[in-house]
Amino acid sequence: AQKVTQAQTEISVVEKEDVTLDCVYETRDTTYYLFWYKQPPSGELVFLIRRNSFDEQNEISGRYSWNFQKSTSSFNFTITASQVVDSAVYFCALSASNTGKLIFGQGTTLQVKP
Amino acid sequence: GAGVSQTPSNKVTEKGKYVELRCDPISGHTALYWYRQSLGQGPEFLIYFQGTGAADDSGLPNDRFFAVRPEGSVSTLKIQRTERGDSAVYLCASSVNPSGSHEQYFGPGTRLTVT
Repeated sequence: AQKVTQAQTEISVVEKEDVTLDCVYETRDTTYYLFWYKQPPSGELVFLIRRNSFDEQNEISGRYSWNFQKSTSSFNFTITASQVVDSAVYFCALSASNTGKLIFGQGTTLQVKP
Repeated sequence: GAGVSQTPSNKVTEKGKYVELRCDPISGHTALYWYRQSLGQGPEFLIYFQGTGAADDSGLPNDRFFAVRPEGSVSTLKIQRTERGDSAVYLCASSVNPSGSHEQYFGPGTRLTVT
């Protein structure tokens, strides 16, 4: 069975702090994909990043970076110099290669205070 | 271009009634997904379509739930004999194809409240 665990329910930081959101996954598939989505207060899920199981190269995009480690089944997300606009619920998700069906974690609510 | 749209944005219905929720995917996207999100939870998969056919309906909770996509574009999620436990936000997403290698784009959701 596939499963995604986001152990952090809520995180609160002060603006400009760095913050890391943890994601641990379980799957028996050898080929799979990992995603991060952002859900701001408006409610619409926004795609942030997709990584496949064959590519463990870490990625940086502006203030965002992702650390994928197959050995520990983790796909963590770091926001550098957080801003108030980063306040949202962040979801990690997993899908098998042949269906695209997403299995989501419970989400981490990030609050960035000014 | 236009994103995924869903109507209505809000639906309030009485227990036992029938409801239909509509999803209009991004033009050209062959894969369409339905999810349900309860308060404080992550979205849960219900069903997905590749073209007109339901390729995987394993997430539908029971036979009161049914979805169609007759022309391979717009989809309708139908719920019969609604129960209070059906109250949730119903999300629709579309993707270029059903492979996990493509991201899904989500609509704004339909908030269903069963009184």
